[in-house]
Amino acid sequence: GAGVSQSPRYKVAKRGQDVALRCDPISGHVSLFWYQQALGQGPEFLTYFQNEAQLDKSGLPSDRFFAERPEGSVSTLKIQRTQQEDSAVYLCASSLSSEQPQHFGDGTRLSIL
Amino acid sequence: TQLLEQSPQFLSIQEGENLTVYCNSSSVFSSLQWYRQEPGEGPVLLVTVVTGGEVKKLKRLTFQFGDARKDSSLHITAAQPGDTGLYLCAGEYPNQGGKLIFGQGTELSVKP
Repeated sequence: GAGVSQSPRYKVAKRGQDVALRCDPISGHVSLFWYQQALGQGPEFLTYFQNEAQLDKSGLPSDRFFAERPEGSVSTLKIQRTQQEDSAVYLCASSLSSEQPQHFGDGTRLSIL
Repeated sequence: TQLLEQSPQFLSIQEGENLTVYCNSSSVFSSLQWYRQEPGEGPVLLVTVVTGGEVKKLKRLTFQFGDARKDSSLHITAAQPGDTGLYLCAGEYPNQGGKLIFGQGTELSVKP
């Protein structure tokens, strides 16, 4: 498709398990962003890539969160030893450059039991 | 801390009424964007405002950027049930690499 694709759409995990969330950006988009959206709230910035370089990870809540984009295209957000407070929708967005509008995927809804 | 205060958080109105949503910050934005988000979907960009005092119209929606570029408003005229959704403002600050700071969102319900 032409848009940002995220998988899985829904993920249920037990507390303490590791999870990996995938983002396929729009082809050719240099910038890629991850956001976390709690229920009833606006998205909160997690991290930002320009090609394969992670230029800003100031929003990652703890060292249990790790993101990568090894070939400058697909990105993976990994959460280790999940906690209940990690339950949220994780949104990925991509843009042609940092100055261009961001296009969002439909997110992965993560539920930690 | 960069904060974006959005109000009201919830708004329930009848079809045909007008409404305004506000977005305020103590810091100056390089640009401000308004998004609409439907349940189970990602935010969709409605408009970007860049210049202080700028006004943009999108059909029945009017967006205004404050002169000092610290605040913005979204006005909807004659709201329709199809306008129902979550409206989000998001500010971009200078030299932040495109990182967006979102407001808390306004959940709008328009009843027929």
